Amino acid sequence: EDQVTQSPEALRLQEGESSSLNCSYTVSGLRGLFWYRQDPGKGPEFLFTLYSAGEEKEKERLKATLTKKESFLHITAPKPEDSATYLCAVITGNQFYFGTGTSLTVIP
Amino acid sequence: DTGVSQDPRHKITKRGQNVTFRCDPISEHNRLYWYRQTLGQGPEFLTYFQNEAQLEKSRLLSDRFSAERPKGSFSTLEIQRTEQGDSAMYLCASSLSMAAQAKNIQYFGAGTRLSVL
Repeated sequence: EDQVTQSPEALRLQEGESSSLNCSYTVSGLRGLFWYRQDPGKGPEFLFTLYSAGEEKEKERLKATLTKKESFLHITAPKPEDSATYLCAVITGNQFYFGTGTSLTVIP
Repeated sequence: DTGVSQDPRHKITKRGQNVTFRCDPISEHNRLYWYRQTLGQGPEFLTYFQNEAQLEKSRLLSDRFSAERPKGSFSTLEIQRTEQGDSAMYLCASSLSMAAQAKNIQYFGAGTRLSVL
């Protein structure tokens, strides 16, 4: 059964304290892995897409990496405005499977 | 381009009533998706369209749910005889599927929050 698991469920960081979020997946025929950010009461906002193991993408304080079994979203020196839920999704066939997300809180 | 828009943003209804939501995708996007999201969960796939054709529906989708995309532009999602368990955020997303390289990045609207009393 196709499955996407994110950890931790929640993460509290001090401003400037770097960390990583994990997304592990067991799917057949992976066509891509996506990271989204979601603020309360809003739709997910696209961050990155990764297609093959070894690929990396960066945007400001965020960096996403992909292996054959998992992806990491590294957050370097986070700021309070980085507080949000970060969702991982994989596409297999024509369907997206989302994880349950990691709720990140960055404390000033 | 204003992105994906959904209407209404909030809907409160009584159990047993029918409700309809609208989604306007990004104008050049040929694919349109509907998802349902409950608190603390990731979005759950419901169905998707390529142009006006509905190509896939989740096995979990009740017969009370129906979606249309009549001219390959906007889409509607109707829920008949609503139940309290239908209370959720309903999200719409659109993407451009290209034959040569299906990047399939989905861009989401802000969602319609449904409350069934």
